[in-house]
Amino acid sequence: ETGVTQTPRHLVMGMTNKKSLKCEQHLGHNAMYWYKQSAKKPLELMFVYSLEERVENNSVPSRFSPECPNSSHLFLHLHTLQPEDSALYLCASSQDFQDAEAFFGQGTRLTVV
Amino acid sequence: QKEVEQDPGPLSVPEGAIVSLNCTYSNSAFQYFMWYRQYSRKGPELLMYTYSSGNKEDGRFTAQVDKSSKYISLFIRDSQPSDSATYLCAMSAAKAAGNKLTFGGGTRVLVKP
Repeated sequence: ETGVTQTPRHLVMGMTNKKSLKCEQHLGHNAMYWYKQSAKKPLELMFVYSLEERVENNSVPSRFSPECPNSSHLFLHLHTLQPEDSALYLCASSQDFQDAEAFFGQGTRLTVV
Repeated sequence: QKEVEQDPGPLSVPEGAIVSLNCTYSNSAFQYFMWYRQYSRKGPELLMYTYSSGNKEDGRFTAQVDKSSKYISLFIRDSQPSDSATYLCAMSAAKAAGNKLTFGGGTRVLVKP
């Protein structure tokens, strides 16, 4: 158990569906992140939250909508996705926004059909 | 040119051999260097975390950073079949820039019994 828990572990959704990914960290960290890991591509940073405020949005399409209700929880709301959005979505946390040492969850394997 | 280059492998070694992994990078602002291990269908797990140039040892793992050459290495001594995984290098610039980790594509390692 890494201290960062993601649910669900696997998700299959149609292009017209709306779904949400959930992340919870039990480490007392102040910063949380969403990353996308596609086949044969490096991990891509999507969103950064520090103390529940979004501090980074790396040109991610609006069909991905993050939400951080408190410093322990992070959501990624998905709607009208495309097949190319199929990937492993990873949540991570670090003590602070300026701390480079990040701890990752197990990921949600998303398949868009 | 990618900001961080990493040979995708696979790198196949017999049990007990030394595994040698490396990454090269182009951004001279990188100061924090990390190695993550990722098993199949799991999230990345932080293995080593170093700041600036030099060596760091932790059990069977040794991380080296040569900033003058923009080259980092990870060595695994007495490799075990359980070391079979994908190894990701990651790096970031000054802390003031926040946790903007830039990842290599990962090297797949196979340790054969």
